Amino acid sequence: DVKVTQSSRYLVKRTGEKVFLECVQDMDHENMFWYRQDPGLGLRLIYFSYDVKMKEKGDIPEGYSVSREKKERFSLILESASTNQTSMYLCASSSRTAKRYNEQFFGPGTRLTVL
Amino acid sequence: DAKTTQPPSMDCAEGRAANLPCNHSTISGNEYVYWYRQIHSQGPQYIIHGLKNNETNEMASLIITEDRKSSTLILPHATLRDTAVYYCIVRGLGNTNAGKSTFGDGTTLTVKP
Repeated sequence: DVKVTQSSRYLVKRTGEKVFLECVQDMDHENMFWYRQDPGLGLRLIYFSYDVKMKEKGDIPEGYSVSREKKERFSLILESASTNQTSMYLCASSSRTAKRYNEQFFGPGTRLTVL
Repeated sequence: DAKTTQPPSMDCAEGRAANLPCNHSTISGNEYVYWYRQIHSQGPQYIIHGLKNNETNEMASLIITEDRKSSTLILPHATLRDTAVYYCIVRGLGNTNAGKSTFGDGTTLTVKP
């Protein structure tokens, strides 16, 4: 059974803290993605990576950075957390084979609250 | 990527077919239509996708109009477990398009007993 796991389901941090969200997939997928989900705004892409050490900005990269040192792991970093980064964060992965390229598998999400 | 429009909510009786519409009038020739759903407190789950022909899998059927400006996701025999938010997105292939479609608010489908 394919799996995308995220390090925490719930996280509470203080303003200004550095926050690491980790995502691991066991499907040997080349592509990995970080989204945030907010009521009324849908799912918005923060960053994605199509290979180890490669990263591309999504629609809302400001305030975030990412790291992909190993194929199976994609980390989202909030260098200095702010209250407007309180959100549900979702990680996804997909294969690069043409037919299944955009079939993304999502993790369960991390609900981050920044106080 | 093309934008999509979906009704905010729909109800369906258990055991009946659920037909969820999506408009994507600005879709371009190389863009696919994808459907995902998100059950409460879980990540989105891929359902089906298509380019221009109708598609069917174990979960659902996808009907795309001939002009490709709209599509309908059909759940043939809806169950209570199909209650979820259903997202229709349009996306091209290739690295530059990977993941770049924003999921909108989708359609909240409520299946009632």
